[in-house]
Amino acid sequence: AQSVTQLGSHVSVSEGALVLLRCNYSSSVPPYLFWYVQYPNQGLQLLLKYTSAATLVKGINGFEAEFKKSETSFHLTKPSAHMSDAAEYFCAVSHSGGSNYKLTFGKGTLLTVNP
Amino acid sequence: NAGVTQTPKFQVLKTGQSMTLQCAQDMNHEYMSWYRQDPGMGLRLIHYSVGAGITDQGEVPNGYNVSRSTTEDFPLRLLSAAPSQTSVYFCASRKYAGTGLEQYFGPGTRLTVT
Repeated sequence: AQSVTQLGSHVSVSEGALVLLRCNYSSSVPPYLFWYVQYPNQGLQLLLKYTSAATLVKGINGFEAEFKKSETSFHLTKPSAHMSDAAEYFCAVSHSGGSNYKLTFGKGTLLTVNP
Repeated sequence: NAGVTQTPKFQVLKTGQSMTLQCAQDMNHEYMSWYRQDPGMGLRLIHYSVGAGITDQGEVPNGYNVSRSTTEDFPLRLLSAAPSQTSVYFCASRKYAGTGLEQYFGPGTRLTVT
């Protein structure tokens, strides 16, 4: 079984400040991990993914995430927030093989960026 | 490529009515799935398909039916709508099941059941 926990349903930062969105996962086998972003009234768009290559993954719009197996974490960061980053962010986990075709999502973190 | 398309964008139903949410993809993806999104719940998997003719249940399948007669299309049927099915529905696809490949999402259908 696999699950995802996103700490903080709502994170508020000032423009130019560090963005840190937390994600912890559980998986009985090596996972694939994803961060998706959802802008208001839109579908989900992939920000970045970890698929067992480099542990530090760079994505679009200046975001990156680090896979830490010992902490079962995949936190999303951006050094300097921009107003356009305001959106809801979802962490998701999957893994290969067997009959598992499921992408399990966290409950989401709403990011607000204040001017 | 149009990617993943969904129709309609918005729908209002009365309790007990039936309808079909349409989903199509033009990327020749084997794997397709339906999610519902509710506030504070994230996305929950309703049904999925690993290829034409093959479907299976996700974590919240009750009240929904699916079929996959072609690679491109994966419609979701509500047989007798209930207010608890008020939600935003997303269709998604990826090339193969069970991989780290990106999953592509449609723009969503916002359904209200009164």
